Amino acid sequence: QVQLQESGPGLVKPSETLSLTCTVSGVSISSHYWNWIRQPPGKGLEWIANIYYSGNTNYNPSLKSRVTISRDASKNQFSLKLNFVTAADTAVYFCARGRRRDGINVGDAFDIWGQGTMVTVSS
Amino acid sequence: DIQMTQSPSSLSASVGDRVTITCRASQSISNYLNWYQQKPGKAPRLLIYVASSLQSGVPSRFSGSGSGTDFTLTISSLQPEDFATYYCQQTYTTPQTFGQGTNLEIK
Repeated sequence: QVQLQESGPGLVKPSETLSLTCTVSGVSISSHYWNWIRQPPGKGLEWIANIYYSGNTNYNPSLKSRVTISRDASKNQFSLKLNFVTAADTAVYFCARGRRRDGINVGDAFDIWGQGTMVTVSS
Repeated sequence: DIQMTQSPSSLSASVGDRVTITCRASQSISNYLNWYQQKPGKAPRLLIYVASSLQSGVPSRFSGSGSGTDFTLTISSLQPEDFATYYCQQTYTTPQTFGQGTNLEIK
């Protein structure tokens, strides 16, 4: 059974860096795209970034200057760093797997999600 | 970015009703359109991918159609567990964008 679990601080100060990790169990991250998505309280979903095991990455241009996605195959994890956070970055952050195995981003869909982790930006 | 617009934004319906939710893309996205269901405090659940393919484990009362810019999600006979928020998503190009959501409520 494939499972994803987000972890990281629930509270981050303004202007600091938000760091989250997604631990994957039940499947190796050496296939599929792996994604980060966020959802501000009471609002809709925003895709942030994804990474393929080869290291190929894609970023949302609205966040690209502040975001880094990376993976650690030895730990079967992938991570998100978001720099210079503000209150607007307060959200539930989800990690999710792309269902395609072939490394093609177009036409993908997120078939398995973590439960999400709430991150609040506040001093 | 490709804008995804869902209609209606909210919908009241009864158990047993047939319900249709529409999603329109700001430009053609071929059939690269997915549908998700989200319940409060939970992660989204994939229902339909590439416009009309039913995700494994999803009841057959859910169906999707469309191509180009106009897409629909249909629930043939609403069940109590179907009351939730539904999102469409395009994966034709980066950034992958979602619709604003449709809140399906009990009448």
